[in-house]
Amino acid sequence: ETGVTQTPRHLVMGMTNKKSLKCEQHLGHNAMYWYKQSAKKPLELMFVYSLEERVENNSVPSRFSPECPNSSHLFLHLHTLQPEDSALYLCASSQDRGTHQANVLTFGAGSRLTVL
Amino acid sequence: SQQGEEDPQALSIQEGENATMNCSYKTSINNLQWYRQNSGRGLVHLILIRSNEREKHSGRLRVTLDTSKKSSSLLITASRAADTASYFCATDNFGINSGYALNFGKGTSLLVTP
Repeated sequence: ETGVTQTPRHLVMGMTNKKSLKCEQHLGHNAMYWYKQSAKKPLELMFVYSLEERVENNSVPSRFSPECPNSSHLFLHLHTLQPEDSALYLCASSQDRGTHQANVLTFGAGSRLTVL
Repeated sequence: SQQGEEDPQALSIQEGENATMNCSYKTSINNLQWYRQNSGRGLVHLILIRSNEREKHSGRLRVTLDTSKKSSSLLITASRAADTASYFCATDNFGINSGYALNFGKGTSLLVTP
């Protein structure tokens, strides 16, 4: 275990379903990230939260909705997804930029999403 | 794009041999990091090299950085079957011309056979 826990590990959903991915970190970090990993593509940054505020949103479709209720928890709410959204969704955490110059990420094991 | 690009895409070697992976990037960086990913799992941080450093070692890992060529290499010496994984370089451009987070490449898939 890395200290970043993602649930569920596997999720199959239909295009009309609503589901959520959860990420929890026990490292005392205060920045959290969602990345999308698809086959043969670089990791795509989706959202960044620092001190519970969204600091980056990389043109992600509105069918993905993040939520960061506190510095230890991060959610990704999924609604009316498309088959091309099937991928491994990775959560990561780090110390906030304001306290450390180097941004080293600790990743969870990922949530494998399949959209039918 | 500011992300790194790893080369080769795939590498197959035998146990005991050395494995070398390269990373090229396009813009100035604060630091460059290497991560490892076992199949279907998350990425694990291996090593970080700052823009003012040229070489760094950690156990069987050796990383070099050439900022004039905008390239880095990761050498794994005396490889083992357990080193089989994908390896990613990530560039940190924060405050230069990029956002808050790291930029990752597509990775190099390393297979080490017994």
